Amino acid sequence: QVQLVESGGGVVQPGGSLRLSCAASGFIFRNYGMHWVRQAPGKGLEWVTYIYFTGDNKYYADSVKGRFTISRDNSKNTLYLEMNSLRAEDTAVYYCAKDIRGNTASVGDYWGQGTLVTVSS
Amino acid sequence: QSALTQPASVSGSPGQSITISCTGTNSDVGAYNYVSWYQQHPGKAPKLMIYDVINRPSGVSDRFSGSKSGNTASLTISGLQAEDEADYYCTSHTSSNSLVFGTGTKVTAL
Repeated sequence: QVQLVESGGGVVQPGGSLRLSCAASGFIFRNYGMHWVRQAPGKGLEWVTYIYFTGDNKYYADSVKGRFTISRDNSKNTLYLEMNSLRAEDTAVYYCAKDIRGNTASVGDYWGQGTLVTVSS
Repeated sequence: QSALTQPASVSGSPGQSITISCTGTNSDVGAYNYVSWYQQHPGKAPKLMIYDVINRPSGVSDRFSGSKSGNTASLTISGLQAEDEADYYCTSHTSSNSLVFGTGTKVTAL
C-alpha cells in the first residue's frame, strides 16, 4: 500500500533553516509528481510547492519563493523540502502528497501524516 | 494566486443532501477539469474524495459527487451521516502549473 512518511520537523528560530524529508513506498515513486502542502494551526490548507516526476521542473507559492527549495531523489524514493529564512508565519504542519500525474499539478491522492514545523524564538 | 471561495459552514440533518460550492476564476476552476475535493477530520491528514471534477477514488462512498459549471465547482453529499462531519477543501490546477486551495467548509450534521 502507498505510504508517505514525513520527518525533519521541529522548533527553529526565525531566520533559521530546516530540511524536511518524505519517504515514499508502495508505488513507483519516479513516475509521479509530488507536492508539499502546509496547514498553520487552526487554519486551512495551503499549497507550497510541486516537483515533476523527473525533478526537472519545480513550482512554488509566492509566499515561499526564493526561500524554500523542493527536490527529490528517485533512487532513494525520497522527497525533500529545504526551508531557509524561516518566519513565524511558516509555522505549520507540513504534508507531502503524491499527485496522480507526473508533470501536472492536479491532485494529491495520497498524503503523509504531516510533520510540525514551529518557528519561534 | 487567491484562494478559491467556499462557504465557511454548511449544515444539514442526517439523511439530507448538502452542497458545498467552490468559486474560482477563469484561470483555475473555469479553465481546467482538475478540481478536487478533500475531507479532513480534526488532527488527521486530508483524504481525497473527488478528483478531476467528477471522479471518485476507489473506496469513497457514492454518496459523494462532484460537478462544475463555469468558475464554480460543487461537492454534494447525499444522505448526510454523522461521520461526514469534517472540514472540506476544494482545490484546482492553475495556469501557473500550481494548485490553489479553497478557504474550507465545516460540515455539520445537526
